[in-house]
Amino acid sequence: KAGVTQTPRYLIKTRGQQVTLSCSPISGHRSVSWYQQTPGQGLQFLFEYFSETQRNKGNFPGRFSGRQFSNSRSEMNVSTLELGDSALYLCASSFGGDTEKLFFGSGTQLSVL
Amino acid sequence: AQKITQTQPGMFVQEKEAVTLDCTYDTSDPSYGLFWYKQPSSGEMIFLIYQGSYDQQNATEGRYSLNFQKARKSANLVISASQLGDSAMYFCAMRGRSYNTDKLIFGTGTRLQVFP
Repeated sequence: KAGVTQTPRYLIKTRGQQVTLSCSPISGHRSVSWYQQTPGQGLQFLFEYFSETQRNKGNFPGRFSGRQFSNSRSEMNVSTLELGDSALYLCASSFGGDTEKLFFGSGTQLSVL
Repeated sequence: AQKITQTQPGMFVQEKEAVTLDCTYDTSDPSYGLFWYKQPSSGEMIFLIYQGSYDQQNATEGRYSLNFQKARKSANLVISASQLGDSAMYFCAMRGRSYNTDKLIFGTGTRLQVFP
């Protein structure tokens, strides 16, 4: 069974650009969550999607957005990139229950220059 | 508001010894779940163990056990018989059941190094 797949693995962008990250969950999983990991702030919750609907979101500016498609694949978009957006972006999937463990991808390492 | 606190930035343990990683939490939710994840240098987060707030017994998964003390709001991870491959970052996490707490939040992590 394939795990959670995130693409691309590495990304370099410049300030002001926008970026789209992709996440393919484990087959059958309907929930996809996104997290930002930085050395200074640690792991922070961005948002969660379940069956194409945003179920919850963290405290991030509106430049961070996401969506989920009917096949449960999810994309995360960051517009007008800032230097502080440099981070490891992790995606996780599950069937959707709140007691379930999340299965994480290897992440996308975004560097903003 | 929910909060997870891991006070040990780094821990060292000798191979085959047991080690305890500390985690305390704060929540006003009557029902919640506690998780531990391992993050090797590759970056992927690996689920280790789960404890529900109403579970009567402490959770165990192979060499991992969770020492859950609800009154003290602590959920320490115990790794028995440490192996070199256990060297990694370890994160404690919590998820509540109400609308604004129904998301997984993480502590700052503990870096465990296992030496021969």
